[in-house]
Amino acid sequence: DTAVSQTPKYLVTQMGNDKSIKCEQNLGHDTMYWYKQDSKKFLKIMFSYNNKELIINETVPNRFSPKSPDKAHLNLHINSLELGDSAVYFCASSQGTSRVNTEAFFGQGTRLTVV
Amino acid sequence: AQSVAQPEDQVNVAEGNPLTVKCTYSVSGNPYLFWYVQYPNRGLQFLLKYITGDNLVKGSYGFEAEFNKSQTSFHLKKPSALVSDSALYFCAVRGSSNTGKLIFGQGTTLQVKP
Repeated sequence: DTAVSQTPKYLVTQMGNDKSIKCEQNLGHDTMYWYKQDSKKFLKIMFSYNNKELIINETVPNRFSPKSPDKAHLNLHINSLELGDSAVYFCASSQGTSRVNTEAFFGQGTRLTVV
Repeated sequence: AQSVAQPEDQVNVAEGNPLTVKCTYSVSGNPYLFWYVQYPNRGLQFLLKYITGDNLVKGSYGFEAEFNKSQTSFHLKKPSALVSDSALYFCAVRGSSNTGKLIFGQGTTLQVKP
């Protein structure tokens, strides 16, 4: 069983469209994250949810809206897609924000290409 | 602010030779350090972590890392490299706030040649 799964794996869309990426984890973790990996492979946190509550929003444009319907799911909706949004988006989860010794588990990534 | 630096964009090593991928960190407080590996078109896989205790940490696939507080380093090592170790390696530090976020280095591409 995949621990952290994202869908879709690839997403090609036109500028101006709205799209969603879904993430699910079956590890029983209470914290989930979205990271963005740019074309230079640099990884940066975008959002984090703990028990369905938003705890990190790292100056991401408000065209990006995360939603966490329950602890096991964290979706990312993107409005009015721009060329610069092209990247690989990774979902991750870990157990507890105060447990600094716990590692995060990552999904396989969603490669978003805006044309 | 917490930060991590990986000074080498790429490391080349011959199969069977030892490898080292360098990482230095800057933190306020105790460092919680991690290494991840990313194979092409794959997600990140956890290799190992340093939280406290023994400075030599052993992880997956024969990798280990040495924590050095005086040099603020956490270098990844393996005694004998395999071609299959070729991948992108990330060092990361836990953020200072209680958010659980990881702050990543720039990544180092390891190329192991037969």
